[in-house]
Amino acid sequence: DADVTQTPRNRITKTGKRIMLECSQTKGHDRMYWYRQDPGLGLRLIYYSFDVKDINKGEISDGYSVSRQAQAKFSLSLESAIPNQTALYFCATGEGGNTEAFFGQGTRLTVV
Amino acid sequence: DQQVKQNSPSLSVQEGRISILNCDYTNSMFDYFLWYKKYPAEGPTFLISISSIKDKNEDGRFTVFLNKSAKHLSLHIVPSQPGDSAVYFCAASAYSGAGSYQLTFGKGTKLSVIP
Repeated sequence: DADVTQTPRNRITKTGKRIMLECSQTKGHDRMYWYRQDPGLGLRLIYYSFDVKDINKGEISDGYSVSRQAQAKFSLSLESAIPNQTALYFCATGEGGNTEAFFGQGTRLTVV
Repeated sequence: DQQVKQNSPSLSVQEGRISILNCDYTNSMFDYFLWYKKYPAEGPTFLISISSIKDKNEDGRFTVFLNKSAKHLSLHIVPSQPGDSAVYFCAASAYSGAGSYQLTFGKGTKLSVIP
């Protein structure tokens, strides 16, 4: 089983719909992250959380919200999806400090 | 303003030769640098890292070099193998307050190793 699991792996949704992407981890890390990847733009940070009570905006948080339901669970919501939110979304976890982050396999989201 | 730049979107190298992937950064507060490798339909996986107090870190076929004065790092893969074909992301970490560090990623370089 993967250390960082994202569901769904693929999703097509219509403009204006609400959608939630879920992430769970078995690494026991306190820190969890949501990134977005667009072609030619690399990985950009949407939100991050250092523990259940701590949520922080990243560089592109507009149009997104998150919920840290437990240490192991961090979900990303698009309240009203729009086509330019079509992208590959990655959840990641980390120990904090100057250490590497561990990524899930990604969710490919298409908003039509 | 892009703080981590990978100016080569793609690179092709013959199997057995050296692959050199480059990365430049602008933020002098970055003190830890990482390379990630990403295959299609998979998440990025950590490859190698280097602290700003070092100028070289080696792990098997992979070596990362850091030139702080030039704000430049490079990843060398030697010898290159077809299985190395992937997108490589350069990332840099800086302290952002309250005990937190944030990773900033470059746009990635697609490496193709030709058999």
